[in-house]
Amino acid sequence: SAVISQKPSRDICQRGTSLTIQCQVDSQVTMMFWYRQQPGQSLTLIATANQGSEATYESGFVIDKFPISRPNLTFSTLTVSNMSPEDSSIYLCSVFTANYGYTFGSGTRLTVV
Amino acid sequence: KQEVTQIPAALSVPEGENLVLNCSFTDSAIYNLQWFRQDPGKGLTSLLLIQSSQREQTSGRLNASLDKSSGRSTLYIAASQPGDSATYLCAVMAGTASKLTFGTGTRLQVTL
Repeated sequence: SAVISQKPSRDICQRGTSLTIQCQVDSQVTMMFWYRQQPGQSLTLIATANQGSEATYESGFVIDKFPISRPNLTFSTLTVSNMSPEDSSIYLCSVFTANYGYTFGSGTRLTVV
Repeated sequence: KQEVTQIPAALSVPEGENLVLNCSFTDSAIYNLQWFRQDPGKGLTSLLLIQSSQREQTSGRLNASLDKSSGRSTLYIAASQPGDSATYLCAVMAGTASKLTFGTGTRLQVTL
């Protein structure tokens, strides 16, 4: 299966600032997915990132708050902008392959103070 | 809209016990079902992937079954160990590379 390197693994940020999370995949993939997991909750899909086109956002998530870049088939970034304590969550990237299904990164644990 | 439910929400068992985790989904038109484990504050580790045409998959002490018609999957863990303590999530996919719908999770604790 694909191997995903995600960083940072955790961060504590001041409200009003932004954090960019990076995901590097060891193989080329068409789509990358960004999820959020709020404390005690299951995972919620933020957006799907396609190389060469704008990301597709799920209901409740907007590009101004969560801009995504996908410069090539192995890399993507998610920025959490103008953070508030409500953004404190685990953020995960993921890729899909037909043989192995979904593979997730190790997650970024974000705390906003 | 697909809904995925996992029972029980939490489970505590002594080391060595065999156990079963349950997952049910409301729409049987799924492409595949995947079981994950998640350690606290960490990402998800894929355990087993069952394609819609399959009935079960096995990996080591883990066995997952799928009954599409009844909208159910079970994850069987044999001879549980303290290292199995984690949250177990099932997730279904409606089509290839479509988004996952996650279950509510089962938090498992295996005690010495």
